[in-house]
Amino acid sequence: EAGVTQFPSHSVIEKGQTVTLRCDPISGHDNLYWYRRVMGKEIKFLLHFVKESKQDESGMPNNRFLAERTGGTYSTLKVQPAELEDSGVYFCASSRLGFQETQYFGPGTRLLVL
Amino acid sequence: GENVEQHPSTLSVQEGDSAVIKCTYSDSASNYFPWYKQELGKRPQLIIDIRSNVGEKKDQRIAVTLNKTAKHFSLHITETQPEDSAVYFCAAWNNNDMRFGAGTRLTVKP
Repeated sequence: EAGVTQFPSHSVIEKGQTVTLRCDPISGHDNLYWYRRVMGKEIKFLLHFVKESKQDESGMPNNRFLAERTGGTYSTLKVQPAELEDSGVYFCASSRLGFQETQYFGPGTRLLVL
Repeated sequence: GENVEQHPSTLSVQEGDSAVIKCTYSDSASNYFPWYKQELGKRPQLIIDIRSNVGEKKDQRIAVTLNKTAKHFSLHITETQPEDSAVYFCAAWNNNDMRFGAGTRLTVKP
C-alpha cells in the first residue's frame, strides 16, 4: 500500500509570492488532515477534510491560506501571499475513518519564506 | 479549547535505561491520546495510542498510561536503544480537533 505523499519536498519563496502544496492521501482514505510545524515548535492542526468537504478548518491561521480537495482525492494548500512567519514544515496525514483511527503522515513539505 | 503541555522538552538517557515523557491536557472531554515519534527529517509516526476507557496500554518496550482524573498521560520506554533517539509528540483529541504537545527530544547515549 502506497503511503501519503507530498509535493514538493522543499520550497523556497520570497515574501509576497504564492506557493501551492499538494498532498496525495492513501487510496481509500476519506479523511485528510493538514498540520504545520513552525521552527521546532509543536505540530499544529490546520484543517480536516472528509472526502471533499471541510470538516473543520478552525486551525487555519488566516485567509491567506486556502485548502481544497477536489473530488475527494488529493488536496492542495495554497498560501497567498506568503509571509515570513509561514515558514515551517507542512504535514499532511490521512486515515480511513475519523480522528480516532491511525493517521498516516506524509513526509512533509519544508517551506522557507525569505 | 484543549491545551496540551509536554515535559521534559529534552531528555538524555543511557542506553538500557528507561525514559518517561509526561503530558497534561486541559479538556476533560478529550478521549483519544496518540504518541508520535519523529526522527530527524522524517515524518511523524504513530507509535502507540490510548483511549479514555483504558488506563494502560503496552506494546513491547513502549507503554502509555492515562490518568483521567488528573488529566495526564505518560509514555514509558524501557531498555532504551540508540535508535529510540527522536522527537516524541503527545496529542489529545477532542471534538474533531487534535492538539499536540511541544515535543520531547530524546537522546539515547550508547
